Amino acid sequence: AQSVTQLGSHVSVSEGALVLLRCNYSSSVPPYLFWYVQYPNQGLQLLLKYTSAATLVKGINGFEAEFKKSETSFHLTKPSAHMSDAAEYFCAVRTGGGNKLTFGTGTQLKVEL
Amino acid sequence: GAGVSQSPRYKVAKRGQDVALRCDPISGHVSLFWYQQALGQGPEFLTYFQNEAQLDKSGLPSDRFFAERPEGSVSTLKIQRTQQEDSAVYLCASSLGVSGGAGQPQHFGDGTRLSIL
Repeated sequence: AQSVTQLGSHVSVSEGALVLLRCNYSSSVPPYLFWYVQYPNQGLQLLLKYTSAATLVKGINGFEAEFKKSETSFHLTKPSAHMSDAAEYFCAVRTGGGNKLTFGTGTQLKVEL
Repeated sequence: GAGVSQSPRYKVAKRGQDVALRCDPISGHVSLFWYQQALGQGPEFLTYFQNEAQLDKSGLPSDRFFAERPEGSVSTLKIQRTQQEDSAVYLCASSLGVSGGAGQPQHFGDGTRLSIL
């Protein structure tokens, strides 16, 4: 079964600092991986997706993620955090033959002045 | 609107009552998904439709949960004889392609927050 693990349920960074949110996946087949962001009382918004085209994926709002098969990781990064980045971030996996998303438990990002 | 629309946004019900949650997907989207998100957790898959066909209902927690999409557009998630453990946010998502188009993203609505007293 496919699954994702997000290390760190809470991450705090200073405004302007690097953001690094970790995601490791478990999949017996090449995975499709996604990062979503959720603001309070809202649904999930897609940040970026990996579908085997390129290992470095650029998304919206300056976020990017790198797929590393050898490490089974798909960590999310942003060079410089902004106050508006404060939200909850979810990593998700879907296999090529399946449809449903399996989400991690989420990482709450706090950005401090 | 261009996005996925869910109603009501908030629903409070007494234990034992039946509830119905509605989802209007993005126009033209073939695939529709329901997820349940408990407080402090990631969403968990409930069920999936391709047009009007319910192809996967493996995530429905009990036979009290029922979903339909009779005309292949609007979907309703119904919970009968609600229990306190049903309290959660219920998210609907839609996707453009057939069979979910594995690489295609799912677009989420803002959810319905269900509270069972």
